[in-house]
Amino acid sequence: GAGVSQSPRYKVAKRGQDVALRCDPISGHVSLFWYQQALGQGPEFLTYFQNEAQLDKSGLPSDRFFAERPEGSVSTLKIQRTQQEDSAVYLCASSLVGPGGEGGYTFGSGTRLTVV
Amino acid sequence: AQKITQTQPGMFVQEKEAVTLDCTYDTSDPSYGLFWYKQPSSGEMIFLIYQGSYDQQNATEGRYSLNFQKARKSANLVISASQLGDSAMYFCAMREGSGYSTLTFGKGTMLLVSP
Repeated sequence: GAGVSQSPRYKVAKRGQDVALRCDPISGHVSLFWYQQALGQGPEFLTYFQNEAQLDKSGLPSDRFFAERPEGSVSTLKIQRTQQEDSAVYLCASSLVGPGGEGGYTFGSGTRLTVV
Repeated sequence: AQKITQTQPGMFVQEKEAVTLDCTYDTSDPSYGLFWYKQPSSGEMIFLIYQGSYDQQNATEGRYSLNFQKARKSANLVISASQLGDSAMYFCAMREGSGYSTLTFGKGTMLLVSP
């Protein structure tokens, strides 16, 4: 596609519910990142994929967070047993090559998750 | 210590004037890259400008320029001739090292451009 597509755009979950957030990167982009952006804050790194390999998951806040990219294109971020502190915007970014490039990250519009 | 510091929570500027958004960074790695992103109310992060630590000249992209002062570890964004559409959150970010590294973002500055 022309850009990075994320769905749903908005998600309201009851505390304890599982959610799945989808990211459809730009076709052919090798690298994919997930970020979490709390209200009034800058994005914080969650995890990084190079093709289907999850090379860095050091930013995932707990074992309730799980991400996958099984075929090296679409990625899903799953949050189990959601809690109120999980409320945030979840941003996905993709890059044609590895993340060492100068401007190579294209971000999606994000999924705003509200846990009630 | 915070790696990226943006000390201005909000800035106001009149249309057609220039504005400077501050960013200081902290790293011991000699190789790093500095980025500025714009985030309008729609939510996406829009890449504006990049400065590499070894770049000899300040980066420029249209109305955007980066005032890179390496010794002071500052990378301020200058927007010339502000437009109403420039109203948005602006984030400074850093990538450390020359290989794989994530982006570390500051807390952002909200810019409001008035007519």
